[in-house]
Amino acid sequence: QLQLQESGPGLVKPSETLSLTCTVSGGSISSSSYYWGWIRQPPGKGLEWIGSIYYSGSTYYNPSLKSRVTISVDTSKNQFSLKLSSVTAADTAVYYCARLAIFGVVSYFNWFDPWGQGTLVTVSS
Amino acid sequence: QSALTQPASVSGSPGQSITISCTGTSSDVGSYNLVSWYQQHPGKAPKLMIYEGSKRPSGVSNRFSGSKSGNTASLTISGLQAEDEADYYCCSYAGSSTYVVFGGGTKLTVL
Repeated sequence: QLQLQESGPGLVKPSETLSLTCTVSGGSISSSSYYWGWIRQPPGKGLEWIGSIYYSGSTYYNPSLKSRVTISVDTSKNQFSLKLSSVTAADTAVYYCARLAIFGVVSYFNWFDPWGQGTLVTVSS
Repeated sequence: QSALTQPASVSGSPGQSITISCTGTSSDVGSYNLVSWYQQHPGKAPKLMIYEGSKRPSGVSNRFSGSKSGNTASLTISGLQAEDEADYYCCSYAGSSTYVVFGGGTKLTVL
């Protein structure tokens, strides 16, 4: 079945750029029916959508993070990636990648499934 | 502050039913039938339980059901079991500027 796995450094210094990659296995990232997304969860807090990408490279970002976020896709490797710049301690969180279903011809965002296991990224000097 | 409002906690005894509310606005929950619900056990990734307001993915128990009225969506769990103790999050499509919003989460305690 489809599986997603996050990878990247677990520790990032303040003001630097957080970089994570999600590897998709058991299916193609080039499916026309899905976007691919990043969601984060600070310790002890709720979920926050970061942004999503289509296999063609079309991206949508959370307005509150848009100025610092870049999501890209590499279809040859079946991977998509997240870069978050100018990080602070407030960006410390478990970062999840997930498949995002779209609804209808208008491509409204629908549900996230499956999710990766998540990776904790700590911002600290 | 989360875009969707959920109660911080709910509780119930085994065998009982509970309902978790998720209140949004006419820009998200009220405008689209695209509410999803996720169950998250400690240290685990969220799991999709309900999508499009009331549909259950394959493999999810029929004890879980969803509904919507106006700007409020609800998740009902009937016949509570100890394994249902977890955090629950709602999520909604929010239109072409905000896109995706989550609720703050509800901790379900099975007494």
